[in-house]
Amino acid sequence: DVKVTQSSRYLVKRTGEKVFLECVQDMDHENMFWYRQDPGLGLRLIYFSYDVKMKEKGDIPEGYSVSREKKERFSLILESASTNQTSMYLCASSPQTVRNSPLHFGNGTRLTVT
Amino acid sequence: AQRVTQPEKLLSVFKGAPVELKCNYSYSGSPELFWYVQYSRQRLQLLLRHISRESIKGFTADLNKGETSFHLKKPFAQEEDSAMYYCALGDGNKLVFGAGTILRVKS
Repeated sequence: DVKVTQSSRYLVKRTGEKVFLECVQDMDHENMFWYRQDPGLGLRLIYFSYDVKMKEKGDIPEGYSVSREKKERFSLILESASTNQTSMYLCASSPQTVRNSPLHFGNGTRLTVT
Repeated sequence: AQRVTQPEKLLSVFKGAPVELKCNYSYSGSPELFWYVQYSRQRLQLLLRHISRESIKGFTADLNKGETSFHLKKPFAQEEDSAMYYCALGDGNKLVFGAGTILRVKS
């Protein structure tokens, strides 16, 4: 069974801090994704990666960056956290294009920026 | 631009009643559509996809290209169906999600 693990379930950070959200998958998937989940807005794609060191912007990349140095790990970085980045962050992975395989999600990291 | 619209934020039905969760999409190519579900305190997971044409937990969804819809249906709701449901559109390597609909099944 595919496992996508997000390192923290809850995080509380202060405005201006640099924040790292970590995600690891154990099934050798090529694609990895970071979404944020907000009530009334659904899931919005921040960044995704289809290979090591490759990344593409999603719909809301502003204020975020990502790192994928190893295939199994995809990190989301908030360069300078702001209160409007308080949200639930979901990591997901898939082995190839979504036409062939669904996304597998982690449990999420609830980030609060004060 | 690709877009998924779920017009209802909340749908509340009684146990045993039929359920229809609405989803409309906007896509220029041949769409690949999915329904994902998130039960309380569980991770988001795939419920079904249109290409499989399957019924999962009694739910079905038919792609209607003329109406650009992919509504999720179940003839008799059960309390354990209470969850957040997201419709999603495949766009190459990524998924575009709707805003989600909370389904509450009352006893």
